[in-house]
Amino acid sequence: AQSVTQLGSHVSVSEGALVLLRCNYSSSVPPYLFWYVQYPNQGLQLLLKYTTGATLVKGINGFEAEFKKSETSFHLTKPSAHMSDAAEYFCAVSDNQGGKLIFGQGTELSVKP
Amino acid sequence: DTGVSQDPRHKITKRGQNVTFRCDPISEHNRLYWYRQTLGQGPEFLTYFQNEAQLEKSRLLSDRFSAERPKGSFSTLEIQRTEQGDSAMYLCASSFWGQGTGELFFGEGSRLTVL
Repeated sequence: AQSVTQLGSHVSVSEGALVLLRCNYSSSVPPYLFWYVQYPNQGLQLLLKYTTGATLVKGINGFEAEFKKSETSFHLTKPSAHMSDAAEYFCAVSDNQGGKLIFGQGTELSVKP
Repeated sequence: DTGVSQDPRHKITKRGQNVTFRCDPISEHNRLYWYRQTLGQGPEFLTYFQNEAQLEKSRLLSDRFSAERPKGSFSTLEIQRTEQGDSAMYLCASSFWGQGTGELFFGEGSRLTVL
């Protein structure tokens, strides 16, 4: 069975600081990994995904994530936080493209001025 | 492309009543998913369809829950005899299985409050 663990339910950073949101996964097959963002009272929007190939994946809004198989991790980073980045972030794993996603519990990101 | 749409966006009902949610996926997508999300939690998988066939149901989907996708287009999720524990956001997503990016596109959700 697949699972996702997001370390830290709340992360607070200052505007302009580095954003690091942690995600570890468990999968018995090569995983497909995703980060989604959710703003209040809205659905989920895809930030980026890893399927195969390059392990460093760039997404929208300046976010990127690196797939590290040896560490079973897929941490999300952004060099400089912006106030508009405040939202809930979810890491998810699937065993194929277009297939069912298993989500972590989410990390709420706050950005202080 | 109008995206995934869900209706109603908000539903308040009394315990014991039945409720139905509708999801219209992106038109060319052959897979449709239902998830449930409670406050402070990630979305939990409920069920999914490929075209009109329901291929998997989570153990979270009790006998009071039923989902259909009769013509392989829109889908409905019905909850019978609602309980307060059913209060949640119900999310629908669609994807194209077999081609393209494989990304799941989510609707904005239907929020259910059971009094």
